[in-house]
Amino acid sequence: LAKTTQPISMDSYEGQEVNITCSHNNIATNDYITWYQQFPSQGPRFIIQGYKTKVTNEVASLFIPADRKSSTLSLPRVSLSDTAVYYCLVGYGGATNKLIFGTGTLLAVQP
Amino acid sequence: EAGVTQFPSHSVIEKGQTVTLRCDPISGHDNLYWYRRVMGKEIKFLLHFVKESKQDESGMPNNRFLAERTGGTYSTLKVQPAELEDSGVYFCASSQVTSSGTYNEQFFGPGTRLTVL
Repeated sequence: LAKTTQPISMDSYEGQEVNITCSHNNIATNDYITWYQQFPSQGPRFIIQGYKTKVTNEVASLFIPADRKSSTLSLPRVSLSDTAVYYCLVGYGGATNKLIFGTGTLLAVQP
Repeated sequence: EAGVTQFPSHSVIEKGQTVTLRCDPISGHDNLYWYRRVMGKEIKFLLHFVKESKQDESGMPNNRFLAERTGGTYSTLKVQPAELEDSGVYFCASSQVTSSGTYNEQFFGPGTRLTVL
């Protein structure tokens, strides 16, 4: 399974766009890139997943360059409630895939 | 639709005692996973059930941990006897069985915080 590297923490202000970049230099051909969000005292929650190029949903966008060795999670106009830990995971998107979590990025949104 | 639930939310026990954690997955989800995070460490995979069968238990730390999923519905994780290093948050997650190559989103419960004194 590919190892991921992401910043330990980031600070932002309400209303700003936040971009969190994740490096995964040894990503395999079959690997998907997935981001989970975790609030204090809760379990992780799926945000978005992609394989290549750009994916957008109602919560975030995921940008993946052609070489797929990195990816960027983009959160538009963050609010205080977006303060959480964000995990970048890389692995095969099979039906029985166990998740391998790294240390994640603690995003602190200030007023 | 109810999400993944876990019981208890907190448990404080003494070293050497036994504790049983319970997870109720989302109805219809055949995949059930247990993870845990010990203090200061990353969330680690423990094991994976498909229905009542253990698909992968490579993350189970030792034989003091026993997971069951009788009938393929809820699951229990028993720690006997508990040691200090077992303290942490135990998460359960569930997902549907999907066809190969289709992403398998896992839905997590709130976790059980276990403290061993």
